[in-house]
Amino acid sequence: ETGVTQTPRHLVMGMTNKKSLKCEQHLGHNAMYWYKQSAKKPLELMFVYNFKEQTENNSVPSRFSPECPNSSHLFLHLHTLQPEDSALYLCASSQGRTGELFFGEGSRLTVL
Amino acid sequence: RKEVEQDPGPFNVPEGATVAFNCTYSNSASQSFFWYRQDCRKEPKLLMSVYSSGNEDGRFTAQLNRASQYISLLIRDSKLSDSATYLCVVNRVGPGGGADGLTFGKGTHLIIQP
Repeated sequence: ETGVTQTPRHLVMGMTNKKSLKCEQHLGHNAMYWYKQSAKKPLELMFVYNFKEQTENNSVPSRFSPECPNSSHLFLHLHTLQPEDSALYLCASSQGRTGELFFGEGSRLTVL
Repeated sequence: RKEVEQDPGPFNVPEGATVAFNCTYSNSASQSFFWYRQDCRKEPKLLMSVYSSGNEDGRFTAQLNRASQYISLLIRDSKLSDSATYLCVVNRVGPGGGADGLTFGKGTHLIIQP
């Protein structure tokens, strides 16, 4: 079983839809992250959770809403997205804030 | 100056050749440096950490130059399977001066040609 699993792998949604991305880590890590990867841009950190408490929100629009019910699960709730939000959304986990990041395979989102 | 800068490439290199690329970082207080590898449509994975004295892992050598604030990655005897995007990663420095997460460069795209 892979260390960090994300579902769904692909998602197409309209601008008025509400959907959620799910991430689960089986590594016993205490920090989890959401990153956005758009074409020709570096990985953008969106949210950080440390021991299931949100410690960082990098000026992400409110149409993205994270949820971390426990230290091994992380969700990203999506609503009223824009076409420019189409990207690969990567979940990652680490032991501590400077440990190696282990990424999930990503959820490729297309907003129509 | 961007926090982490890399030449995006692509670097087109014949199989068996040696290739090197650099990455510059802006915060002189950064302490941790890494190279991650990302294959097409896949997630990034740690390739190697970069230590102050430089370090080698098989065909890969990483170097750190603190004075000029750059790190480098050298790949010897390149293989077709080395084709990927190589991401330079530097730790962020928090308000108290401690490490506070990681910043990724845009990546350097490497294509090894047969």
